[in-house]
Amino acid sequence: NAGVTQTPKFQVLKTGQSMTLQCAQDMNHEYMSWYRQDPGMGLRLIHYSVGAGITDQGEVPNGYNVSRSTTEDFPLRLLSAAPSQTSVYFCASSYSPPGPLYEQYFGPGTRLTVT
Amino acid sequence: KQEVTQIPAALSVPEGENLVLNCSFTDSAIYNLQWFRQDPGKGLTSLLLIQSSQREQTSGRLNASLDKSSGRSTLYIAASQPGDSATYLCAVLLNTGRRALTFGSGTRLQVQP
Repeated sequence: NAGVTQTPKFQVLKTGQSMTLQCAQDMNHEYMSWYRQDPGMGLRLIHYSVGAGITDQGEVPNGYNVSRSTTEDFPLRLLSAAPSQTSVYFCASSYSPPGPLYEQYFGPGTRLTVT
Repeated sequence: KQEVTQIPAALSVPEGENLVLNCSFTDSAIYNLQWFRQDPGKGLTSLLLIQSSQREQTSGRLNASLDKSSGRSTLYIAASQPGDSATYLCAVLLNTGRRALTFGSGTRLQVQP
């Protein structure tokens, strides 16, 4: 199993550009989520999905869109990048619904810089 | 709103010491608590998961305890090694609402050889 994979590893954008961060998992997990990590802070939830076709907002959803057309993939779209979106982005997955026994598995992250 | 706090924010110890990292949370309605390790510029590696019904979990030199009623968890690292140097994050999974992890901001550990 490859686990949770993310592409790209690094990205530099100019303000106003759009892009999609890719996330895929091969563990047949229904639950997938996106977090961002800023210096000195823990990870904060952006969006999550409990299964194909179902998504919902997390703690910091503004400026981001998601969709879930397959169980395996959960892309995160930045519509119009802003410097405040400079961060490290992590995708995670687990069995759904998340429960006492279920670990969440994280991808390696995407480092995004918006200039 | 669930808040997770980790103390200390940074810790430097000589090799061989036993050490304790602390995590506290405000809402006891949790499914579980996970401890993660994060190396600089890398992703998160899950170390231990404690279900809400459990008191502790052990893996090698690591032991994590959970006191749900008081909203506290500790990660005990025995006989620390330079390879243990990393940031340690705790996260709780609420059993209501979004059922997403709420993270603390981490403890940065440096083990001196």
